[in-house]
Amino acid sequence: DAGITQSPRHKVTETGTPVTLRCHQTENHRYMYWYRQDPGHGLRLIHYSYGVKDTDKGEVSDGYSVSRSKTEDFLLTLESATSSQTSVYFCAISESQSDTQYFGPGTRLTVL
Amino acid sequence: RKEVEQDPGPFNVPEGATVAFNCTYSNSASQSFFWYRQDCRKEPKLLMSVYSSGNEDGRFTAQLNRASQYISLLIRDSKLSDSATYLCAVNLRNQGGKLIFGQGTELSVKP
Repeated sequence: DAGITQSPRHKVTETGTPVTLRCHQTENHRYMYWYRQDPGHGLRLIHYSYGVKDTDKGEVSDGYSVSRSKTEDFLLTLESATSSQTSVYFCAISESQSDTQYFGPGTRLTVL
Repeated sequence: RKEVEQDPGPFNVPEGATVAFNCTYSNSASQSFFWYRQDCRKEPKLLMSVYSSGNEDGRFTAQLNRASQYISLLIRDSKLSDSATYLCAVNLRNQGGKLIFGQGTELSVKP
């Protein structure tokens, strides 16, 4: 299994609070991604990174920001959580943009 | 129209059956193709990459039809342990490795 961890694994928070999710990899892969998975929508890309300090938006980026200050860490921040951001969040990594993506174990976030 | 479409199922089949899933994609710039397997409340795990010439891994066969813009997955001699959701994914050329996923097809293999 690829060396990817996510923290926290579960979180319950209240509307309006900031939340940061962390993805950590030990594979030294250049690309990192954040997805959310919701019933009826499948997996959707939020943001991705193609190197340290290099990030770009995905299809559902509104309300989210990311940062990557080190190769191994990719942070996803919800500045002011809303109930619509209740979801399961998966981080993924890949060596290049056309290579297989490997997924972390996921973070289950509930916004009340 | 969604960029990647799959029949959500569920497909309920007996052990030993052969089952086939199809996945259609709309963007002709699609470059790489994958099948992932996802167990309940777990992360997606790569099952197979899909190559133009088709590829086989044991009981699993994946094929790509670029002209008709679909990929397929065939599972022979189904096992109880094959019960899961199967996701197809398409990687678009020159778009930073974005994977577009289908919603997944649920498979339930019964004794």
